[in-house]
Amino acid sequence: KNEVEQSPQNLTAQEGEFITINCSYSVGISALHWLQQHPGGGIVSLFMLSSGKKKHGRLIATINIQEKHSSLHITASHPRDSAVYICAVRLAETSGSRLTFGEGTQLTVNP
Amino acid sequence: DVKVTQSSRYLVKRTGEKVFLECVQDMDHENMFWYRQDPGLGLRLIYFSYDVKMKEKGDIPEGYSVSREKKERFSLILESASTNQTSMYLCASSSPASGITDTQYFGPGTRLTVL
Repeated sequence: KNEVEQSPQNLTAQEGEFITINCSYSVGISALHWLQQHPGGGIVSLFMLSSGKKKHGRLIATINIQEKHSSLHITASHPRDSAVYICAVRLAETSGSRLTFGEGTQLTVNP
Repeated sequence: DVKVTQSSRYLVKRTGEKVFLECVQDMDHENMFWYRQDPGLGLRLIYFSYDVKMKEKGDIPEGYSVSREKKERFSLILESASTNQTSMYLCASSSPASGITDTQYFGPGTRLTVL
């Protein structure tokens, strides 16, 4: 079983829909990251969370440490949001910057 | 603007060839990482380095080696390429920060095909 599980694996939405991608982890962590990967490969960091909630534009990320769960929400989705969204955690016992990654969620937003 | 570059976007090699993948970062980061990304498996860590001449094995180091002679450059070496090493290879770098923010910055990736 992976230490980081994402759901769904694939998600198709219509433009304007509210989207939620979920991430669950089974170990103690010190931080959780949400990353975005567009076609062509480049990965960018969206959020780093250790507690609570963060918002950037139409993106909102939340984390519940007790339940070992995080969600990434996209409001008013747009075709340009189509990408792979990756959840990654920094394990509590890990030194340095090493991350453990989920398999990713492929999001397609249709016009 | 932060930048991580990789020597090639696409590479085609033959089984048994020695393959070098180069990664350069211009952010003076201490930490550098090599990952491979395969459908259904996500990003898996091959090797990482915390400092010049330092290296540590990740989750899947078999068949790979690395070199870090200069702080800005981290090389991944496939000593004898095999078809099961066909994959997307991604390099990343980060800097130890106070607290736990240490965001990783990724290169554009190299899609390697081994025939």
